[in-house]
Amino acid sequence: GQSLEQPSEVTAVEGAIVQINCTYQTSGFYGLSWYQQHDGGAPTFLSYNALDGLEETGRFSSFLSRSDSYGYLLLQELQMKDSASYFCAVSGGATNKLIFGTGTLLAVQP
Amino acid sequence: KAGVTQTPRYLIKTRGQQVTLSCSPISGHRSVSWYQQTPGQGLQFLFEYFSETQRNKGNFPGRFSGRQFSNSRSEMNVSTLELGDSALYLCASSLGAAQETQYFGPGTRLLVL
Repeated sequence: GQSLEQPSEVTAVEGAIVQINCTYQTSGFYGLSWYQQHDGGAPTFLSYNALDGLEETGRFSSFLSRSDSYGYLLLQELQMKDSASYFCAVSGGATNKLIFGTGTLLAVQP
Repeated sequence: KAGVTQTPRYLIKTRGQQVTLSCSPISGHRSVSWYQQTPGQGLQFLFEYFSETQRNKGNFPGRFSGRQFSNSRSEMNVSTLELGDSALYLCASSLGAAQETQYFGPGTRLLVL
């Protein structure tokens, strides 16, 4: 079957750096995506890694190691507005089906 | 461009009834996927439509069905509602090719009593 594991909760303070890990077990792997979802809101796309290495987009970076079936999302210079749930998702095959992890609730404290 | 829109935003139904949810994708997007989000199961893939054809389907019972129209708008239908169908139903659109970024709508929150 296909499964993704990520921590259920992470707490950090404003200005800090936090890393959210994601390990996956899936067949036909194409890439790893990260989505952010604020309470009551829609998931919004953050990043996508198809190849090994680090992708940087502003304060957010995402890393993938295909050989380890592992990736992470790195959030720098945390702000209160970063408090949200973060989901990793794998895609595979010739469709747009996404398999999501259970989500990590990030709480940023002052 | 306008984002993905979903109607209605909130819905209350009783067991045994049926419900139809609507999704209008971003203009130019031809792929629409549907997901169910619950506190216990997280985000689960229901099905994807591309050019009016179901391209992929998740592990949900036949009570869950969908369709896509020629203008790419999509509807999903749930028949014989059960209490466990209470969830946030999200649709996401993308241009169409595999691995394209998906853009989610605000969702329809369904409560089954």
